[in-house]
Amino acid sequence: ETGVTQSPTHLIKTRGQQVTLRCSSQSGHNTVSWYQQALGQGPQFIFQYYREEENGRGNFPPRFSGLQFPNYSSELNVNALELDDSALYLCASSLGIRGGGTGELFFGEGSRLTVL
Amino acid sequence: GQQLNQSPQSMFIQEGEDVSMNCTSSSIFNTWLWYKQDPGEGPVLLIALYKAGELTSNGRLTAQFGITRKDSFLNISASIPSDVGIYFCAGSNFGNEKLTFGTGTRLTIIP
Repeated sequence: ETGVTQSPTHLIKTRGQQVTLRCSSQSGHNTVSWYQQALGQGPQFIFQYYREEENGRGNFPPRFSGLQFPNYSSELNVNALELDDSALYLCASSLGIRGGGTGELFFGEGSRLTVL
Repeated sequence: GQQLNQSPQSMFIQEGEDVSMNCTSSSIFNTWLWYKQDPGEGPVLLIALYKAGELTSNGRLTAQFGITRKDSFLNISASIPSDVGIYFCAGSNFGNEKLTFGTGTRLTIIP
């Protein structure tokens, strides 16, 4: 067990709705990354937060947004949901250092989002 | 988005057999990692490699960082039932912790 917890574990939304996913990082970790994993594929990087600031973003539209709190927990928000947003959303925590850490990420079990 | 190429895509082996899989990239990475993902769970880190040519073991697992920095290999010796799952390689570069993942290799053990 990595100590990274995500909620909710499963949820169903309809097109056009908004969703918020939550993540608590492992104790002592200051960096949270979010990944989207479509069925049968590897995870794709969405964005990363280091000490409450966005520290890199993948090829995702602005309707994907995030937040990191002073206790290093994090939220992923997706607006105007589309069918293709159906996926497993993974949160990963790490001990980051400005300019880079070890690259060793520890993942939670994910939130499975279904958009109908 | 970019994904690294893993081969084979799937493997069907008998318990006790050795397993080899590899991962290739069109670009250089400074760090290579191997993760295993079980159904309904997040990826779990198996091995991390930081230097070109490095060979690192973790129990029955051995991974190598290719000297070109564009590939990596994972070997599993004497497979056991709990080795079943999907294995992902991932690459990253110094200065950020964005991981680029591979397409995955699904390992199945035949009774």
